[in-house]
Amino acid sequence: EPEVTQTPSHQVTQMGQEVILRCVPISNHLYFYWYRQILGQKVEFLVSFYNNEISEKSEIFDDQFSVERPDGSNFTLKIRSTKLEDSAMYFCASRRRGGTGNEQFFGPGTRLTVL
Amino acid sequence: RKEVEQDPGPFNVPEGATVAFNCTYSNSASQSFFWYRQDCRKEPKLLMSVYSSGNEDGRFTAQLNRASQYISLLIRDSKLSDSATYLCVVTSTGNQFYFGTGTSLTVIP
Repeated sequence: EPEVTQTPSHQVTQMGQEVILRCVPISNHLYFYWYRQILGQKVEFLVSFYNNEISEKSEIFDDQFSVERPDGSNFTLKIRSTKLEDSAMYFCASRRRGGTGNEQFFGPGTRLTVL
Repeated sequence: RKEVEQDPGPFNVPEGATVAFNCTYSNSASQSFFWYRQDCRKEPKLLMSVYSSGNEDGRFTAQLNRASQYISLLIRDSKLSDSATYLCVVTSTGNQFYFGTGTSLTVIP
């Protein structure tokens, strides 16, 4: 069964450093998402991406964040200058088609720890 | 105002019990509704979509009440493996999905 994959599973970085989190969505999916989940808190939407551009983004997704689909298979989330409060689990998700009623499939997540 | 609200629990129930979770959403334009389950430190996994007419999948039944902006999940004959956090998820556009805080369930032997 196809699945969303994410690398690395755990990333430790120093405050102020740039990190890139990588995701490979399911191959015939067209819509891609990033979420974060701070430990003990709810899953929070960051950004959605379709047709090589951002469809929607939340207030969390400020100028420090960017997304890219560099090669038709990978989908990356870059945090330019990490802060302590960026420590969280970051989940990538993909969805086969747009419109309503079509569920998302999540990757296993990348645990980001900012020291 | 929270987009999606759930009772966080925890719910501790014996094996074989029936348990129900509720969820309310604030945006009346919401179009799609889902229940996901999340095990500790794992990704959310789809449990079931919620349809207007209500739907059932084995021991799980989901209901939607658009007038009251309310979604429910009923689990019958609880198993130990049902222990998890259950997430209510709502979207209006299909581009932004709102998660509830989740309801924690522990099924006790």
